[in-house]
Amino acid sequence: QLQLQDSGPGLVKPSETLSLTCAVSGDSITSDSITSDSYYWGWIRQPPGKGLEWIGSICSSGTTYYNPSLKSRVTISVDTSNNQFSLRLTSVTAADTAVYYCARRPVTSFSDWYFDLWGRGTLVTVSS
Amino acid sequence: QSVLTQPPSASGTPGQTVTISCSGSRSNIGSNYVSWYQHLPGTAPKLLIYRSNQRPSGVPDRFSGSKSGTSASLTISGLRSEDEADYYCAAWDDSLTALFGGGTILTVL
Repeated sequence: QLQLQDSGPGLVKPSETLSLTCAVSGDSITSDSITSDSYYWGWIRQPPGKGLEWIGSICSSGTTYYNPSLKSRVTISVDTSNNQFSLRLTSVTAADTAVYYCARRPVTSFSDWYFDLWGRGTLVTVSS
Repeated sequence: QSVLTQPPSASGTPGQTVTISCSGSRSNIGSNYVSWYQHLPGTAPKLLIYRSNQRPSGVPDRFSGSKSGTSASLTISGLRSEDEADYYCAAWDDSLTALFGGGTILTVL
């Protein structure tokens, strides 16, 4: 069964860069791997006590789509050789403290937008 | 404040039917499909409904979704104790961003 495992530092200092990685693993590596053109791969976060916020998505070709409110600070990249994708968020503040989830989105029109598989999430705290 | 508006809480007793609403606008729910997610804290969120009313394989038919105009609903029939969780709606917005609702905490009394 395909799984997404997100990982990264749980504590980041203000003004520094948050970096997380999501490893894609399972028994259907070929059809469900990061190189499949059937999926986008994305990041979503949830600040403490608040709702979910979409950060951005990437497809295997490297095309990215970012939340306009975060676009200036976000980079999502894909590492096909290691079957994983990553998130970088620069100049973090306490407002970036959240549980960060990686997730998979089937390739469909933007009108038909949903994530069908999620990781368990990683809590990242921004504090000095 | 989320652009998609959900009630912060809902409740029901076992066996009852509960409906959670999600209100948006013409640029999101009004022109795009809605998805729904079930989330127990500490676990991975789970897709319940996509394309406004479609269930992924493995999701019980007790869960159903609908959409009308700029609003959508998730209905849970035959409520069970294991349905106690947070529920989120989501939709693409024509301003080129994806939106989630603020979430509804469902309590099974």
